[in-house]
Formats: sequence, C-alpha cells, structure tokens
Amino acid sequence: IAGITQAPTSQILAAGRRMTLRCTQDMRHNAMYWYRQDLGLGLRLIHYSNTAGTTGKGEVPDGYSVSRANTDDFPLTLASAVPSQTSVYFCASSEGGGATDTQYFGPGTRLTVL
Amino acid sequence: GQNIDQPTEMTATEGAIVQINCTYQTSGFNGLFWYQQHAGEAPTFLSYNVLDGLEEKGRFSSFLSRSKGYSYLLLKELQMKDSASYLCAVRDSNYQLIWGAGTKLIIKP
Repeated sequence: IAGITQAPTSQILAAGRRMTLRCTQDMRHNAMYWYRQDLGLGLRLIHYSNTAGTTGKGEVPDGYSVSRANTDDFPLTLASAVPSQTSVYFCASSEGGGATDTQYFGPGTRLTVL
Repeated sequence: GQNIDQPTEMTATEGAIVQINCTYQTSGFNGLFWYQQHAGEAPTFLSYNVLDGLEEKGRFSSFLSRSKGYSYLLLKELQMKDSASYLCAVRDSNYQLIWGAGTKLIIKP
C-alpha cells in the first residue's frame, strides 16, 4: 500500500540520549517535511526537503537535524534529547512545487523525553 | 507575525450542520487547506481553496474570502465518525504551510 511509514510508533527516551526517527515514503514525492504537534499548538515545521540532496530549516529547527540522501527516506535526528522535545512527530510528503501542492502525513511517532 | 485562529472546541448534534471558522493573517497567501485529524491519528487532507467562493465535496464544503482573511468548513448531516479535530492551514508567500491549532469537534447523539 502506497504511503508514508514512520518508526518507531512510540519511544521513551532518557534526556541526553541520541535518537533518530525514521520516515519512508513510496509515492516518489519530491518534497518531505518534519513537524511536531503539541497540545494547544498548531503543527510546527522543524525541517523540510524540497528534493533529494537538499534540506532547509523550518520554524523550530534547534536541536534537530535531517538528511535526504535519496527520494524515499528523510530521517530526523535529535542529537541530545531534552524534555521539551517531548511531542508527537509527523513526517509528511508532497509532490512539490505550486500552490496546490498537498501534503500527506505519516502515522506519527510519539516521543517522551524524561 | 503570522497567525491562524480557530475555535478550540465545538459541539454539535448528529444529523445537524456545523460551521468551523478560520481567520488568518499571513505574509502572503497561496491557498488555504483544511485537514481532518482523528485522535491519535495523522491529519488527512479535506479541501483546498485559493479563489474566493465555496468548494463543495459531498457532505463537506469549504468557503474562502481572501479580502476578509476568512474561511469556513461546513459539515452537513453530521455523523458520529465526524468527531475529530479540524485543522486550517495557509500557504504563505514562501510556500510554507502555517497551521492553526485546530478545532476539536464533538458530535453528540
């Protein structure tokens, strides 16, 4: 079934640990995105990639890094997790380009940093 | 700054009609999106408006007024499965999506 997969589904992490959230899409979409969703706040963009080999910073990039080695994969790394990074993380993808470009979301990763 | 405003929560009755409003102030405008998000799940695309007027898609319709910075999502013949959060998002001049906090819709029998 075509779509976006994320792993892990949920994770409890000790503060200071390194963690990589995985995201894979099989729709051959050019653009990919990482968001975090916190209660009472809208989705906030962490990093994005318009095409393989390029990445950009979103609204809340500090403490996170990404890479886009190929079209399908877009991992998000927390180098040294802090409790404020406790959130639900969504990966999304879109064909890319144009105002009508629609984003499609993965199932999310629920991360708790203690 | 950029801002998207939606009511936090609304309650409606099964079979009725509900209108969820969204007002926005953004740097530029390149379209407005509505997404549905059931609890514990991913947002799913509902509608897109870029020109003024009403877009109808089955039981759901979305309206846009660019001059007023205003949109609404209209849900007709409400069903229990429509209980969800509804997210409004605007594409700004940099083609980034700016998201509202969402409106939680509770449907009562």
